[in-house]
Amino acid sequence: NAGVTQTPKFRILKIGQSMTLQCTQDMNHNYMYWYRQDPGMGLKLIYYSVGAGITDKGEVPNGYNVSRSTTEDFPLRLELAAPSQTSVYFCASSPQVLTGELFFGEGSRLTVL
Amino acid sequence: AQKITQTQPGMFVQEKEAVTLDCTYDTSDPSYGLFWYKQPSSGEMIFLIYQGSYDQQNATEGRYSLNFQKARKSANLVISASQLGDSAMYFCAMKGFTGNQFYFGTGTSLTVIP
Repeated sequence: NAGVTQTPKFRILKIGQSMTLQCTQDMNHNYMYWYRQDPGMGLKLIYYSVGAGITDKGEVPNGYNVSRSTTEDFPLRLELAAPSQTSVYFCASSPQVLTGELFFGEGSRLTVL
Repeated sequence: AQKITQTQPGMFVQEKEAVTLDCTYDTSDPSYGLFWYKQPSSGEMIFLIYQGSYDQQNATEGRYSLNFQKARKSANLVISASQLGDSAMYFCAMKGFTGNQFYFGTGTSLTVIP
């Protein structure tokens, strides 16, 4: 089972460049999330979605955009990359039940120089 | 407001000993779920155990058990018979019944000493 797949795993960007982190899941989960994890820190929610066509901001949405055109895909767009966006990004999905845990992708390590 | 607190930035345990990682939470939801995740140095997030707020018994999964004390709003993870492979970051998380978000603590770094 593929689960949650993120690409790319590593990327180096120059300040001001833009890029999209891809995320796809094959578990038919309605809920999908994007988190960032700074070195030695916990997870901060960037954006989340409860279904196709529905997205909402999390704790740290500035500098990012998302879309959810299908149940499977939840790409994260970084516009005008800044050094503060250097982080590890995790995509995750969850079934629409209280007991459903988060299933995480392997993470994408992004460095902005 | 929902909040998860992990007050132990780092913990050490001798191999084969048991260790307790602390987690307290705050929520106004009448029903909620509590989760523990392990993050080894390789970086992936591994789900360990789940406890529902209305579950009568503490959850157990192999060497992992959750010491759930609802009145004290605590959900501590107990790892029995620690192994070297248990060295990792451990995160406590909560999801409320009325919300769509998972709230994470700041994590505890566990080191198992041979």
